[in-house]
Amino acid sequence: KAGVTQTPRYLIKTRGQQVTLSCSPISGHRSVSWYQQTPGQGLQFLFEYFSETQRNKGNFPGRFSGRQFSNSRSEMNVSTLELGDSALYLCASSLWAGSSYEQYFGPGTRLTVT
Amino acid sequence: GENVEQHPSTLSVQEGDSAVIKCTYSDSASNYFPWYKQELGKRPQLIIDIRSNVGEKKDQRIAVTLNKTAKHFSLHITETQPEDSAVYFCAASMGGQNFVFGPGTRLSVLP
Repeated sequence: KAGVTQTPRYLIKTRGQQVTLSCSPISGHRSVSWYQQTPGQGLQFLFEYFSETQRNKGNFPGRFSGRQFSNSRSEMNVSTLELGDSALYLCASSLWAGSSYEQYFGPGTRLTVT
Repeated sequence: GENVEQHPSTLSVQEGDSAVIKCTYSDSASNYFPWYKQELGKRPQLIIDIRSNVGEKKDQRIAVTLNKTAKHFSLHITETQPEDSAVYFCAASMGGQNFVFGPGTRLSVLP
């Protein structure tokens, strides 16, 4: 099976702009989660989508939003970019393994805000 | 909410020695504990996991132990090799999709 894919891999934006990142989960996985990874804050949970519905949300401002399509592909959007939004954005798709979910990460999109 | 602590933050070992990374969690409802390895510039990769109904799990040179009473779990790597050098993250989940990650341990295996 193909793994989780994310596009684009690298992105440079300026403050105030907005950006959309895309994630395609592993075939058959219906749950997609998004994380922000920075050297100082580690891996922080943004939100999770299942069957086109946001099920869980982390502690991020409303500038961060997402959606999921009927084919399980997901997008996240960041509006009014700030310098502090520079990070590696990771998408993970999940499979229910009987008593818990197993998560598999994509390669990430490295966003640089200048 | 759940909080996961991880120690040490950096660890250097000689090739062939063992490495141990320890994580503690705060919420006794957590029941799934995965470990991820992230090499420089690459995605985090699931390397081993353990569920709360098991005390220990082993896969070749890596093992994970869980102490539910003390609310801590540990990653053990034996016979370390240079390719084991990476950042290792532990995480805790209550079975749902809210994974809380530890801050990571940078492991360096010295030749």
